Amino acid sequence: DTAVSQTPKYLVTQMGNDKSIKCEQNLGHDTMYWYKQDSKKFLKIMFSYNNKELIINETVPNRFSPKSPDKAHLNLHINSLELGDSAVYFCASGDRAGNEQFFGPGTRLTVL
Amino acid sequence: EDKVVQSPLSLVVHEGDTVTLNCSYEVTNFRSLLWYKQEKKAPTFLFMLTSSGIEKKSGRLSSILDKKELFSILNITATQTGDSAVYLCAVGGAGGTSYGKLTFGQGTILTVHP
Repeated sequence: DTAVSQTPKYLVTQMGNDKSIKCEQNLGHDTMYWYKQDSKKFLKIMFSYNNKELIINETVPNRFSPKSPDKAHLNLHINSLELGDSAVYFCASGDRAGNEQFFGPGTRLTVL
Repeated sequence: EDKVVQSPLSLVVHEGDTVTLNCSYEVTNFRSLLWYKQEKKAPTFLFMLTSSGIEKKSGRLSSILDKKELFSILNITATQTGDSAVYLCAVGGAGGTSYGKLTFGQGTILTVHP
């Protein structure tokens, strides 16, 4: 199926741990995004990559490090997890202009 | 800082009712306004609007943009229980560091009762 996929779907971990979320898209898009959605459903952009190049880097703690090995993949690594990192993280892909973006199913991260 | 505000925050209606969801925005470089529907998981795309006054329509859903007054509305007629979801409005930036960036509103939670 053509889609944006993320793994894992759920992630429960202790404070201070390091974790990664993987994202892949097979839609042929050049641009991929990471969003964070908090408990109030507010969706906020974190990063975007265009053809492996970092384009948008919002004011995100440097504990968060995105990595794009190729234009179909954008992974998110988080160091020293904190309680406030608990949220749903969505990966999306689209064109660089911000036209229709296709979202992955989300990864629910719970930090205990 | 770019800002997108949706109203109401939540809405409860009965099947068959018509609803209007509002989205106002303040952005530095406007390119487009998008509407998404979010049920249990990922937001799914509904409409993208770039020009004022041109209605976009898909079945019972329609949307229009007013670039002078900086707002958009999403109408849903003859609502069904399957329309229950969070409706998200997002504005796309046009230039510089805003290019490609979507700024989302806080969403409107719509609940449709049978």
